[in-house]
Amino acid sequence: LAKTTQPISMDSYEGQEVNITCSHNNIATNDYITWYQQFPSQGPRFIIQGYKTKVTNEVASLFIPADRKSSTLSLPRVSLSDTAVYYCLVGDGGAAGNKLTFGGGTRVLVKP
Amino acid sequence: EAGVTQFPSHSVIEKGQTVTLRCDPISGHDNLYWYRRVMGKEIKFLLHFVKESKQDESGMPNNRFLAERTGGTYSTLKVQPAELEDSGVYFCASSQDRGRGYTFGSGTRLTVV
Repeated sequence: LAKTTQPISMDSYEGQEVNITCSHNNIATNDYITWYQQFPSQGPRFIIQGYKTKVTNEVASLFIPADRKSSTLSLPRVSLSDTAVYYCLVGDGGAAGNKLTFGGGTRVLVKP
Repeated sequence: EAGVTQFPSHSVIEKGQTVTLRCDPISGHDNLYWYRRVMGKEIKFLLHFVKESKQDESGMPNNRFLAERTGGTYSTLKVQPAELEDSGVYFCASSQDRGRGYTFGSGTRLTVV
């Protein structure tokens, strides 16, 4: 399974855009990139998933360069409630991809 | 749509006792997973059910852990006998399509004293 590297923590302020970059140099051809968000005392929550280029949903955007060795999760105009740990995961999104490998995640603190 | 439900939310037991954790996945989700995070460590995969069958149990730490999913609905994870190092948060997740967008429960915090 491809290993991911992401910053341990990031601070931001309300209304700002937060960008978290994840490195996954050993990503395989079949691997998808998935991001989860976790609040204290809750389980991880799926945010977004992509394979290449850009994916956008109502919560975030995911930018993936052509070489797919990294990805950037973009959270627009964060609020205090976006304070959480964000995990970048890489794995086979198809039928064989059933095991998620979590790293340490990025702890994002949004300040007033 | 109800989410993934785990029971109990917290459990404190003595070393050597038995504890059974329960997970109710989202209705219709064939795939059910157990993960856990022990203190200071990363979230780790334990096992994966497809309906009532164990698809992958490579993450189960030892034979003190027994997971079942009778009838392919809810699942239980029994720890017998519990040891101090079993303390942590046990998460259950379910999905319709393997590897895509799991829905996690809020977890069971297990404390073995």
